[in-house]
Amino acid sequence: DAGVIQSPRHEVTEMGQEVTLRCKPISGHDYLFWYRQTMMRGLELLIYFNNNVPIDDSGMPEDRFSAKMPNASFSTLKIQPSEPRDSAVYFCASSTTPDTQYFGPGTRLTVL
Amino acid sequence: KQEVTQIPAALSVPEGENLVLNCSFTDSAIYNLQWFRQDPGKGLTSLLLIQSSQREQTSGRLNASLDKSSGRSTLYIAASQPGDSATYLCAVSDTGRRALTFGSGTRLQVQP
Repeated sequence: DAGVIQSPRHEVTEMGQEVTLRCKPISGHDYLFWYRQTMMRGLELLIYFNNNVPIDDSGMPEDRFSAKMPNASFSTLKIQPSEPRDSAVYFCASSTTPDTQYFGPGTRLTVL
Repeated sequence: KQEVTQIPAALSVPEGENLVLNCSFTDSAIYNLQWFRQDPGKGLTSLLLIQSSQREQTSGRLNASLDKSSGRSTLYIAASQPGDSATYLCAVSDTGRRALTFGSGTRLQVQP
């Protein structure tokens, strides 16, 4: 298996632009997680899905952030409009249980 | 709200030394605790998972212990090698939320 796939690996955008991050989980995994990692706050859970349904979105910072999982093999995290403080590395992880998660390589987002 | 703290934040040791990384958490109602490794620019790799009913887990030169009542875990690395250089993250899964709360990590450098 190729593991969790995230795209793009790097994204540089201007403040106010819409940003869409993509994730393909490992086949057969029915949990999908989105995390954000910054120097100041470390690694934080944003949202997670089970069987394509959002279970806990309490970590989503603001209404500017939204996440979808239209099917078992694809999820997006969208930021609209983006702000410089959204600059971070965004990780996607998948698993068959909530506990043993397999992480993707991350997307490094820079908002200028 | 669960909080996870890791000490020290950074550690530099000569090759061959045995070392201990520390993790503490505020809410003892955990489902399990995990230790992850993160290499620069990469995602996280799970090293050891300790269920709440267990006291330790071992994998090769790594040994992790858990004292749930005191809210502490340690990761012991024997005979450290330069290849062990990475950031080590501790994470707990709460019995209710079943999502991971991460510590800020210990950045380890093993000098050849």
